[in-house]
Order: sequence, then structure tokens, then C-alpha cells
Amino acid sequence: DQQVKQNSPSLSVQEGRISILNCDYTNSMFDYFLWYKKYPAEGPTFLISISSIKDKNEDGRFTVFLNKSAKHLSLHIVPSQPGDSAVYFCAALSGSARQLTFGSGTQLTVLP
Amino acid sequence: AAGVIQSPRHLIKEKRETATLKCYPIPRHDTVYWYQQGPGQDPQFLISFYEKMQSDKGSIPDRFSAQQFSDYHSELNMSSLELGDSALYFCASSSLGSEAFFGQGTRLTVV
Repeated sequence: DQQVKQNSPSLSVQEGRISILNCDYTNSMFDYFLWYKKYPAEGPTFLISISSIKDKNEDGRFTVFLNKSAKHLSLHIVPSQPGDSAVYFCAALSGSARQLTFGSGTQLTVLP
Repeated sequence: AAGVIQSPRHLIKEKRETATLKCYPIPRHDTVYWYQQGPGQDPQFLISFYEKMQSDKGSIPDRFSAQQFSDYHSELNMSSLELGDSALYFCASSSLGSEAFFGQGTRLTVV
């Protein structure tokens, strides 16, 4: 049973518009959430994270929102750029565990 | 800034051979994770170490073993290799409660 779910396998967005990537989780023990970007045959690159004590974290064009009651988080990329095209993974961590649980990823394509 | 270093980047082995993958975490990181990503699949958690002790175990086959050494580098040993072991193997490191950073991965091909 997947504890971290990314229900959209792919997303296409026009350059300059907003990209919204969604992630749902089921384990209430998760208290730290991360987004990674991955290109083929490369390791995941850390993008942004959020602790469960916050509901928003912003870093440049990237903003992550956390809705704990809904067990939902999202990554907003504004404005989207063609170089943002990659697979985006949502991951979750519980404070005492040493295991990052990944979602299945969303392929983002930003069209010029 | 120093990143997570994995070696080798590419490895080709025959069936039933043994492979050893190495991971050098970011300095002062106390946790190392190993992940396996097969073609078209999500990264699957294999095993993690905290302060040189095994911390969590995921879907790691019995043919695989791993350890973390006194200098915090970690090695993943894979024996009796099978064709299905062909994958990208990622190592990540973190310190408690912070982001995990990944290495570039080792691409293992079993022929």
C-alpha cells in the first residue's frame, strides 16, 4: 500500500504559467516532506522541503504548501520554465525513521 | 559544496557475479540511505544506516548486504547477481531532521 501518492503521472504546462504538482500521504507519522527533481539516469536533486509545523515554504520560484488535515501537499512552480521539465518526486520522512518514502513521480513538461 | 559521491558510476557484471557499490556521504551527515530504481520504476528503499548502525530495512534481497564504516562511507554488496538486479542504485545522506541529498547513482547492468 503506497503511503505517498502522486496521482498524476504527467503534467504539461505552458512556459511562464504556474505548474502545480500534487502529493497525498496516508501515514500521520510523517512530519517532514521533500520535493526532488530528477532527470533520466541522474540522482534525485533536492528542491524544497517543509516541516509539518508549517503550512508553506517558499524558495524562489518554488513554493510548497502543506495541508495536514487533508494529508496533502503541493509544489507550485511560478513561472514555469522549459528547464523545469523533469520528473518530480514527493517524499516523506518521519522524525524517528531513517527511511524516505517516495511517491511515484510526476513527469512535468514545460512547453516553450 | 561537497556532495554525495558514489562509485563507480557504471558497472557491468555477469549473472552470479558479485558487485560492490560505494557511497561517500556529505561530511557530518549521520544517515545514509540506499535506493534501487529499476527501469520505469519508482525509487525503492533498500536499507539505511544511522551512526554506522543499520537503521531501517526495506525491500533488500537477502543476496544483498550493506554496511557503514568508521569514516561514514557505506558499501552495498550484491552477490549472485541476477538480470533483474540491473538498475540505478542511489545513495543519499542526511543529518537528523534535514533534507537528504542524493548522489549521482551507480548504473548496474547485469548481463
